[in-house]
Amino acid sequence: QKEVEQNSGPLSVPEGAIASLNCTYSDRVSQSFFWYRQYSGKSPELIMSIYSNGDKEDGRFTAQLNKASQYVSLLIRDSQPSDSATYLCASRGGSGGSNYKLTFGKGTLLTVNP
Amino acid sequence: DAGITQSPRYKITETGRQVTLMCHQTWSHSYMFWYRQDLGHGLRLIYYSAAADITDKGEVPDGYVVSRSKTENFPLTLESATRSQTSVYFCASSERRESIYGYTFGSGTRLTVV
Repeated sequence: QKEVEQNSGPLSVPEGAIASLNCTYSDRVSQSFFWYRQYSGKSPELIMSIYSNGDKEDGRFTAQLNKASQYVSLLIRDSQPSDSATYLCASRGGSGGSNYKLTFGKGTLLTVNP
Repeated sequence: DAGITQSPRYKITETGRQVTLMCHQTWSHSYMFWYRQDLGHGLRLIYYSAAADITDKGEVPDGYVVSRSKTENFPLTLESATRSQTSVYFCASSERRESIYGYTFGSGTRLTVV
C-alpha cells in the first residue's frame, strides 16, 4: 500500500515569511510528485509538479525532491494571507501497475497571519 | 465552456436510496477518477477509468458502481446510500498515462445521507 505522509498542521506563519511544507512517501519507485492547494469548500488546484531530484521554482513557490530520502517539500516565499489553505502532496507512478493513479497525503493546513 | 463539471453540487438523500453523481469533461481526456474526501482521511480513490468501457476499483469501492460508455462522462452511483457515504465527492481527469501529469478536479458534490 503506497502511502504519502504529511504533517496535518496547522502551520501558522506571519505574512512575508517563508512557509515550509513537507511530505514523505513510502513507494521508493514513485516517479512524480504534485502539490495541490485546496481552499476551504473548494476543489484541489494543482500548483506544482516535480519529477527530478532537486529544486523547481515557479514564482513564489519552490518544490524540492529528494528521492534517496523519499522526501518532497514545498516552500512558499513572501507568504500572503491568500496562501492560507490546505496543501495536499501527491505521488504518481511506481510499483503495482496503474501508474496514472495519484496517491494523496491528508494535507497540511497553512494559515498566514497578517 | 471547456472543463470538468460535476452535478449536482449539493445532494441530500435518504438511507437506502440510489443516487447518481454526474461528471462530464470536455477535453476528451482518457483518464477519469472518482475520489471522496473526508475529514481525517483525505482524498481516497473510489474508482478510475482509463478509457470508455474500462474501469477499475480504487481504494474504497464498496457500495459504489461506475460506468463509462462515453469518454466524456463518468457517473458514480451509490446503489443503496448509507450514512457512511456522506462525503464530498470529486471527479478528476488526466490527459496522459505518463506519470508527469497531474489531475484536474471538478468542483465537487457534497452528499449528505440522512
